[in-house]
Amino acid sequence: GDSVTQMEGPVTLSEEAFLTINCTYTATGYPSLFWYVQYPGEGLQLLLKATKADDKGSNKGFEATYRKETTSFHLEKGSVQVSDSAVYFCALSAPGSGTSYGKLTFGQGTILTVHP
Amino acid sequence: DSGVTQTPKHLITATGQRVTLRCSPRSGDLSVYWYQQSLDQGLQFLIHYYNGEERAKGNILERFSAQQFPDLHSELNLSSLELGDSALYFCASSPRRQGTEAFFGQGTRLTVV
Repeated sequence: GDSVTQMEGPVTLSEEAFLTINCTYTATGYPSLFWYVQYPGEGLQLLLKATKADDKGSNKGFEATYRKETTSFHLEKGSVQVSDSAVYFCALSAPGSGTSYGKLTFGQGTILTVHP
Repeated sequence: DSGVTQTPKHLITATGQRVTLRCSPRSGDLSVYWYQQSLDQGLQFLIHYYNGEERAKGNILERFSAQQFPDLHSELNLSSLELGDSALYFCASSPRRQGTEAFFGQGTRLTVV
């Protein structure tokens, strides 16, 4: 079945440091890929997405490129801020039928803490 | 604000009881998804409705059921509750059946005591 694997956390960085959170996936067909962010006490917010190979999603300084050859969608940011502290989830939506129809499959989440 | 509204925000109930969680999707969205978030299982897909019809089931227990009404709001019914059902339950909506991003509500935190 479909699966998403994220790098183990938590990740602790100083402000202005470079961020990478690794994400790899297994899916049948050509999935759409997403990064969601969850701030404390809140729901998940879509951070960025990519729907086909070599697409780059970007938002708020975050970027991720859909790499079909390595089945990866790593999240990067050049300079993190304290306000970026949150839990980040990589997810995929695979075309298909039956139990996979329309659903998102999530990675386990990576806790990011940024210190001043 | 995602436009998805979930009520109640918090719920505390005893084992063996039954609760109903409610979700109002974004205006115009026909798809509603339910997810369970727990520390040990992470985010798990429960069920998907599209325009009133069930489209897919995930790891949803037989004690749980859901429906989507003609006005597109959805309810998740949890019965014979057990301690292990304590979790955050999210509803998400999207405009199409698949392949697009979903917009999440703030969740209902269920605590079974």
